[in-house]
Amino acid sequence: GNSVTQMEGPVTLSEEAFLTINCTYTATGYPSLFWYVQYPGEGLQLLLKATKADDKGSNKGFEATYRKETTSFHLEKGSVQVSDSAVYFCALRTTSYNQGGKLIFGQGTELSVKP
Amino acid sequence: KAGVTQTPRYLIKTRGQQVTLSCSPISGHRSVSWYQQTPGQGLQFLFEYFSETQRNKGNFPGRFSGRQFSNSRSEMNVSTLELGDSALYLCASSAGSQLTGELFFGEGSRLTVL
Repeated sequence: GNSVTQMEGPVTLSEEAFLTINCTYTATGYPSLFWYVQYPGEGLQLLLKATKADDKGSNKGFEATYRKETTSFHLEKGSVQVSDSAVYFCALRTTSYNQGGKLIFGQGTELSVKP
Repeated sequence: KAGVTQTPRYLIKTRGQQVTLSCSPISGHRSVSWYQQTPGQGLQFLFEYFSETQRNKGNFPGRFSGRQFSNSRSEMNVSTLELGDSALYLCASSAGSQLTGELFFGEGSRLTVL
């Protein structure tokens, strides 16, 4: 079946450090891939997405590239800020008919950035 | 443009009771999905409604049900509550595109079952 595996957290970094959160997936066909962020006490916000192989999603300094050969979608940021502290979720959505609203999420990775 | 609105934000129930949660999607969005978030199981898909029809369903017992009204507002109901139903219930709306439509999430309804 379809699944998403994320690196376990929590991840603690100092401000301006480089961030990588690993995400790999298992899926049939050609899924769309997403990173969502959840700040404390809030719902999920879409951070970035990629819908086909070799696409690079980017937003707010975060980037992730859809790698079909390694079934990965790792999240990176060159210089994190304290305000980036949140839980990050990798997710996929299959292209099967009538699966439009169904996202499959990884377990989430908590990021804590210290000043 | 108003976002996805979920009510109530917090509620406490006791085992055996039932609960109804409400979700108002973004204006013009016809798809509403529901997810359960718990520390142990993470985010799990409950069901999706589109134009008042259930389009997709996750692996939850029949105690979990939902519906969508003609104005796209949705409700989910959990009957005979169990302690394990304590969770954050998230609603998401989408314009309905099958392949690339973005899901917009509400802030959730946090249910505590005592």
